Amino acid sequence: GGIITQTPKFLIGQEGQKLTLKCQQNFNHDTMYWYRQDSGKGLRLIYYSITENDLQKGDLSEGYDASREKKSSFSLTVTSAQKNEMAVFLCASSKWDAEQFFGPGTRLTVL
Amino acid sequence: AQKVTQTQTSISVVEKTTVTMDCVYETRDSSYFLFWYKQTASGEIVFLIRQDSYKKENATVGHYSLNFQKPKSSIGLIITATQIEDSAVYFCAMREGASGSWQLIFGSGTQLTVMP
Repeated sequence: GGIITQTPKFLIGQEGQKLTLKCQQNFNHDTMYWYRQDSGKGLRLIYYSITENDLQKGDLSEGYDASREKKSSFSLTVTSAQKNEMAVFLCASSKWDAEQFFGPGTRLTVL
Repeated sequence: AQKVTQTQTSISVVEKTTVTMDCVYETRDSSYFLFWYKQTASGEIVFLIRQDSYKKENATVGHYSLNFQKPKSSIGLIITATQIEDSAVYFCAMREGASGSWQLIFGSGTQLTVMP
């Protein structure tokens, strides 16, 4: 078994601020993902990484940067937070052909 | 373009009965993978069951099973002997295989409420 840890659990920022979310997994999975979930909606892919130092854009990558410096960690940066933005950001990991395991999420509020 | 559609926004059932949740998908790939996830009230997302497109037999795990109808591009989730703790939002998702994309496309979810 393993676990995915996301920090922080809650993130409050100001409009225009650069904000970073972190994710760690100890499954030893190669692939990691960042999703955004708006209230009452499904998940949309922002970025994913097949291996260390690899980055691939998802459908929602505009306004975000990502970094995968180690196999076990994957960071997401909101480059300029938008006022009234509220969403949950979910990190996931998987083996290359298998189901994804999800972290508990980071809830973002922008004032 | 790939797309996953869940038309049922919410379903209510009585405990110990069977419920089916619908999901249809669109893909150009001949090889793809279909998943069902459950999101609890706390926000936790849990993998439930998976169907690979090349497999004819419907997947079954515990009291979850799938109704895979490939000609209709449909993958229904069946929960038998429902329990109160099955109350959650259920998401259907698809990943295309041949294209090499790792992207998992999610449906909008179905809220299941199991009543005593």
